[in-house]
Amino acid sequence: AQSVTQLGSHVSVSEGALVLLRCNYSSSVPPYLFWYVQYPNQGLQLLLKYTTGATLVKGINGFEAEFKKSETSFHLTKPSAHMSDAAEYFCAVILQGAQKLVFGQGTRLTINP
Amino acid sequence: GAVVSQHPSRVICKSGTSVKIECRSLDFQATTMFWYRQFPKQSLMLMATSNEGSKATYEQGVEKDKFLINHASLTLSTLTVTSAHPEDSSFYICSASALSGGAVEETQYFGPGTRLLVL
Repeated sequence: AQSVTQLGSHVSVSEGALVLLRCNYSSSVPPYLFWYVQYPNQGLQLLLKYTTGATLVKGINGFEAEFKKSETSFHLTKPSAHMSDAAEYFCAVILQGAQKLVFGQGTRLTINP
Repeated sequence: GAVVSQHPSRVICKSGTSVKIECRSLDFQATTMFWYRQFPKQSLMLMATSNEGSKATYEQGVEKDKFLINHASLTLSTLTVTSAHPEDSSFYICSASALSGGAVEETQYFGPGTRLLVL
């Protein structure tokens, strides 16, 4: 069975600093990988996804993530944090051909002025 | 594209009443929709998978008779919380997977959520 681990339930960075949110997965075969963002009292918005092809994927709002099969990781980064990036971020995986998304526990990102 | 709406966004009801939540895919066809429940400061918990024209598949521990799901068309799924009690108060989120080229895409697009408060 797949599982997703997000290291750090809460990450705090200064405005303008690098954002790094960690995600590791456990799966018998490489899954499809997703990052979603959730603002307070809202649903989830897709930031980016990896299915096949280039392992470095770029998403909305300046975020990108790199799929590293050898490390079973899909960390999310952004070079320079903005106050509007403060939100909850969820990493999720799905096996090819499957329907269910498996979510990590989420990481709350706080941006300090 | 790939917009999912939910209605209502917030609902307050009395204990014992039933509440219906609608989930619509606005600009795509969705043969598969999902219903999640989210508790404060927690991740999403999948309640059920809804396939158009067939019965929903419920996750273990989710009461089928409590949470009725109907997926009557390719753009609409409904969740009815029957005989609601205060412990049913939560944030309910739906998602939908698009139908493309005869196959269901792997990406789920989420609605904005419905906050249910049962008094």
